[in-house]
Amino acid sequence: DIQMTQSPSSLSASVGDRVTITCRASQTINYYLNWYQQKPGKAPKLLIYASSSLHSGVPSRFSGSGSGTDFTLTISSLQPEDFATYSCQQSYTTPYTFGQGTKLEMK
Amino acid sequence: QVRFVQSGAEVKKPGASVMVSCKTSGYTFTNFAINWVRQAPGQRLEWMGWIDAGKGDTKYSQKFQGRVTITRDTSANTAYMELSSLRSEDTAVYYCARGNGWDYWGQGTLVTVSS
Repeated sequence: DIQMTQSPSSLSASVGDRVTITCRASQTINYYLNWYQQKPGKAPKLLIYASSSLHSGVPSRFSGSGSGTDFTLTISSLQPEDFATYSCQQSYTTPYTFGQGTKLEMK
Repeated sequence: QVRFVQSGAEVKKPGASVMVSCKTSGYTFTNFAINWVRQAPGQRLEWMGWIDAGKGDTKYSQKFQGRVTITRDTSANTAYMELSSLRSEDTAVYYCARGNGWDYWGQGTLVTVSS
């Protein structure tokens, strides 16, 4: 199975900050990488698909990049509603696997 | 608009089976696959399997092979996930999600396994 590892596991930041989360795959997944936002008690929401494509309705302050094994999610200017847990997922091959999540907390 | 609505919370005893439904609307059901994913308390999301809603073909994670069955009813635009031989470690929120795009998700169904 492909292992997905995110860093950091938790992050404290302030409104207006620029934040970057990284995700590393244990083997190449080309660009088959999705990013999700999840709030407590809610289902994940797709933010970014195919490494860098913004899902419909997602604010442009979210962006993704990378290919192969190393990927990043960037939030250019944090808004209050962005404090949540972010997870990456490889959709290259089954079993599809997810990162452990990065909890973004208010400083 | 596209909607995924899952069945309600379940409490089961060890050894029992549970079936969770995922009723969809707002798109052509048979044009997309449905994935099933679960999340145990404090754990990462875990893919269980998927079904091609058109053909009915399925693929399961090796971890759940033999215990999970995913089916669909095209007349009801609904997918089902049945997990058998439940144990306490199966306590989790179970989600359905659409196809390769992963763009629409159900609200989640809490399954609690407890004696």
